[in-house]
Amino acid sequence: DGGITQSPKYLFRKEGQNVTLSCEQNLNHDAMYWYRQDPGQGLRLIYYSQIVNDFQKGDIAEGYSVSREKKESFPLTVTSAQKNPTAFYLCASSGGLSYNEQFFGPGTRLTVL
Amino acid sequence: AQTVTQSQPEMSVQEAETVTLSCTYDTSESDYYLFWYKQPPSRQMILVIRQEAYKQQNATENRFSVNFQKAAKSFSLKISDSQLGDAAMYFCAYRAMEYGNKLVFGAGTILRVKS
Repeated sequence: DGGITQSPKYLFRKEGQNVTLSCEQNLNHDAMYWYRQDPGQGLRLIYYSQIVNDFQKGDIAEGYSVSREKKESFPLTVTSAQKNPTAFYLCASSGGLSYNEQFFGPGTRLTVL
Repeated sequence: AQTVTQSQPEMSVQEAETVTLSCTYDTSESDYYLFWYKQPPSRQMILVIRQEAYKQQNATENRFSVNFQKAAKSFSLKISDSQLGDAAMYFCAYRAMEYGNKLVFGAGTILRVKS
């Protein structure tokens, strides 16, 4: 089955630690995205990548980093510089005949203890 | 910068009745896409319907339809014959032409369906 997977579903982190969220897609999509969802604020774009080995900052990139070494993978690292990292993180992809639409993964809930 | 506003934090509808969710947006572009996404309690984002700005005809997907008013920058979602499974958070989203395929989301509307 084609789709987007995110792992883990729940993640706990101590303050001062970096943590990496996984996002994998087998839809052969060129573009991938990371969004953050907070209560009452909808989704906000963190980073996006339109091709392998290239990515751009979104609206709230501070305290986050990404890599795009493979077409199917777009991991997000939440660094200790992110002041309020507790949130729900969603990965999405788009491409091919579905270029105008984004397909979302199931999300990762990150909690900082 | 583009913005999307959903002025109804929460709405309720009786099962089998019709409800309309509001969305307005601000942009200086003439060509763009608009979307409605549904997020049920599982938190999986599901595309409900999309509208191309250059098309005057309102999009329809089964019980879901939109009222797209380009001049007024309004994009409302109508759900007919509401079902219990329609209960979810609904997000309106705008596709900005810059930044590739970036989506700008509204804050969302919680829809409750009463049996």
